[in-house]
Formats: sequence, C-alpha cells, structure tokens
Amino acid sequence: NAGVTQTPKFQVLKTGQSMTLQCAQDMNHEYMSWYRQDPGMGLRLIHYSVGAGITDQGEVPNGYNVSRSTTEDFPLRLLSAAPSQTSVYFCASSYRGTEGNEQYFGPGTRLTVT
Amino acid sequence: SQKIEQNSEALNIQEGKTATLTCNYTNYSPAYLQWYRQDPGRGPVFLLLIRENEKEKRKERLKVTFDTTLKQSLFHITASQPADSATYLCALKGGGFKTIFGAGTRLFVKA
Repeated sequence: NAGVTQTPKFQVLKTGQSMTLQCAQDMNHEYMSWYRQDPGMGLRLIHYSVGAGITDQGEVPNGYNVSRSTTEDFPLRLLSAAPSQTSVYFCASSYRGTEGNEQYFGPGTRLTVT
Repeated sequence: SQKIEQNSEALNIQEGKTATLTCNYTNYSPAYLQWYRQDPGRGPVFLLLIRENEKEKRKERLKVTFDTTLKQSLFHITASQPADSATYLCALKGGGFKTIFGAGTRLFVKA
C-alpha cells in the first residue's frame, strides 16, 4: 500500500493564482482531512470529509474549496492564493471503524505564496 | 476556546535517559488523547492512543498517562536513543470527528 500520497511536494505561487493540491489514499478509509501547519501552531483543520460526496468545513476554511467524488481522492483547491496561505499542507485519512480514529498523514505540500 | 499546550522549548536529554513530554489542555473533555511523532519534512505518524477512562498505556519503550482531573497527559520514552529525536504532537479527540493538535515539543537525544 502507498498509504496517503500528496502532490506536489513543493509549490510557489504568485498572489491571486489558483491551484489544486492533490491527495489520494489506497486504504479505503472513509474519513479524509486537510490540515495546515504553521510554525509554533498546531495542525489546523481546513476541510474534512466523512465519505464520498460529503464534505464540511474545519477551523480555517476561508480561501479553500474541497470536493470528494471518490473514496480515494480528496483535492484541495486554493481559489486565489494569498501570502497568508504560505504553509505546509497535510492530507490525512482514517478508518471510521477504528476507535479514536487514528489518522494517517501524507508527506505534505510546502506552499509559498509571493 | 479549546486549547492544547505543549512545551515550546526543545527537550535535550542524554541517550539512555527517560524523556518526559507534557501536554496540558483547557476547555475540553476529550474522549481520546493521541500522541504522534513528526520528523522534519514529513507528516505526523500515530504512536499511541489513550481513552478518557484509562490512566496509563504502554507500548514497548513508550508510556502515556492521562489525568482528566488535571487535564494533562505525560508521554515518556524510556532508554531513549538518538533515533527518538523528533517532534512529538499531542492531539485530543472528542466523540465526533474533529481532532485538535498541539504545536508539539522537539526532543533531541544526544549520544
């Protein structure tokens, strides 16, 4: 199993550009999430999904869109990039049936917005 | 609002000693407390989970305690090794989906 994969690993955007961060998992997990990690702060939840076709907002959803058309894929779209979105982005998945829902994280995408 | 505090200062210890990391939280009653390890440039990796009605959980050289009265968890690594050097994240989960993460504590184990 590849686990959770993310592409790209690194990205530089100019203010106002849009892009999609890709996330895929091959563990048939129902739950998937997007987090951002900034220095000195904990992982903050952007959006999450409890199954295909179902998404919801997390703690910091503004400026981001998601969709979940399949169990495997959960892309994150930046609509109009801003310097405040410079961060490291992690996708995670978890199995609904596991008590406590331990999460499996991807390797991250380091995004810089200039 | 819900808050998790982990020591922002790095912990430096000598190889073979026990490392103890602290996680304190406020305004929350988690059903579960989780610990993750994160190496530089990589995603967090799940280590241990402890339930609200458990006082202690062990896994190999790892031990976690959970005091819901003090709202505190301690994470111990016994016989620490340089390979244990990493950032350790504490995370709280209630009965619903969302998990709240602390900022983590960096551990350096010197040979």
